[in-house]
Amino acid sequence: SQKIEQNSEALNIQEGKTATLTCNYTNYSPAYLQWYRQDPGRGPVFLLLIRENEKEKRKERLKVTFDTTLKQSLFHITASQPADSATYLCALGGGRRALTFGSGTRLQVQP
Amino acid sequence: GAVVSQHPSWVICKSGTSVKIECRSLDFQATTMFWYRQFPKQSLMLMATSNEGSKATYEQGVEKDKFLINHASLTLSTLTVTSAHPEDSSFYICSSVPGQGADTEAFFGQGTRLTVV
Repeated sequence: SQKIEQNSEALNIQEGKTATLTCNYTNYSPAYLQWYRQDPGRGPVFLLLIRENEKEKRKERLKVTFDTTLKQSLFHITASQPADSATYLCALGGGRRALTFGSGTRLQVQP
Repeated sequence: GAVVSQHPSWVICKSGTSVKIECRSLDFQATTMFWYRQFPKQSLMLMATSNEGSKATYEQGVEKDKFLINHASLTLSTLTVTSAHPEDSSFYICSSVPGQGADTEAFFGQGTRLTVV
């Protein structure tokens, strides 16, 4: 069966460091992969989408990589700030199809 | 970006009563609306997919007679939890995608925290 795994349930880092979150998937051949941020009691907010022919994508302090051979995506936040503290979700699917989400990684950035 | 507005943001109801949750696309036509449920410390799980003007498609294990979905217009979809019980207490979130593209970001409502007492 199809599965999306985010290995770390929680990640604590110091302000200014780079946070790296991992998303692995099995039994999928996605054309693209998405990352969302979810704050407590709120709906997810879109961050980045990366296509299968893109190795890397950047947006301000965010960077996503996509390795279709390893079936893995890495999500990086550089120069992290306490305001980056949230749960980060990777997701497959999209468009006219519903998203299937990973379990999420709760990031806590300590000042 | 596109806006999806969900109402109410929280509701407390007595066991056995029904609760309606509204989800509106404010600046685009939502041909398809997705309804998710999220239990504490878990990820979002798809409950059903609704298409405007047709019956919703429910995921396995989701009772269609209990979770009534109406998508009568291109800007409004509603989820009614009928005869709610404490185990239905959860965070319900709607989502839609503007446009026709497959690789398009999804927009989510603010979510509705349902507590059944």
